[in-house]
Amino acid sequence: DTAVSQTPKYLVTQMGNDKSIKCEQNLGHDTMYWYKQDSKKFLKIMFSYNNKELIINETVPNRFSPKSPDKAHLNLHINSLELGDSAVYFCASSRPKAGGVADTQYFGPGTRLTVL
Amino acid sequence: GEDVEQSLFLSVREGDSSVINCTYTDSSSTYLYWYKQEPGAGLQLLTYIFSNMDMKQDQRLTVLLNKKDKHLSLRIADTQTGDSAIYFCAESRYSSASKIIFGSGTRLSIRP
Repeated sequence: DTAVSQTPKYLVTQMGNDKSIKCEQNLGHDTMYWYKQDSKKFLKIMFSYNNKELIINETVPNRFSPKSPDKAHLNLHINSLELGDSAVYFCASSRPKAGGVADTQYFGPGTRLTVL
Repeated sequence: GEDVEQSLFLSVREGDSSVINCTYTDSSSTYLYWYKQEPGAGLQLLTYIFSNMDMKQDQRLTVLLNKKDKHLSLRIADTQTGDSAIYFCAESRYSSASKIIFGSGTRLSIRP
């Protein structure tokens, strides 16, 4: 199936731990994103990579470190997890339209992170 | 600013039309989108409109864009229980390649 996939779907961990979330897309897109959706469903962009290069880095604690080994993968590593990191994290991908205008974004199913 | 605003809740009777509204602030917006999020799932693109269009229709969905007032709406005809979801308005801008700004989402609930 062509899609954006994320693992794991659920992640429950203790405060202070380090964890990673993985994302893969087989849509042939150049750009990938990480979003955080809080309990009120507000969706906020965290990072964006284009062809393995970081192009968007919003105000995110540096405990969050994205890594893109190739343009089909974008992983998110989180150090020293805090209670406030509990949220659903969505990966997305897109292929920019000509002229640099953002194209449609396709979302993964999300990873629900719970920090205890 | 970067604001995209929507009302948080909308309740309609099954079979009626639903109209979800959105306002945005940036006049350089080029594409405007509607995404649907069902419980426990990711966002799914429903439809989008280019900023030089006034209207786009796709089966039960009608998107209206008033660029002068920076107002976007999504009308769902003959609303069904399967339409229950959160609907996100979003915009992209020529000046911010690869960045889409999302609204806070409107939770649509259907009454029997």
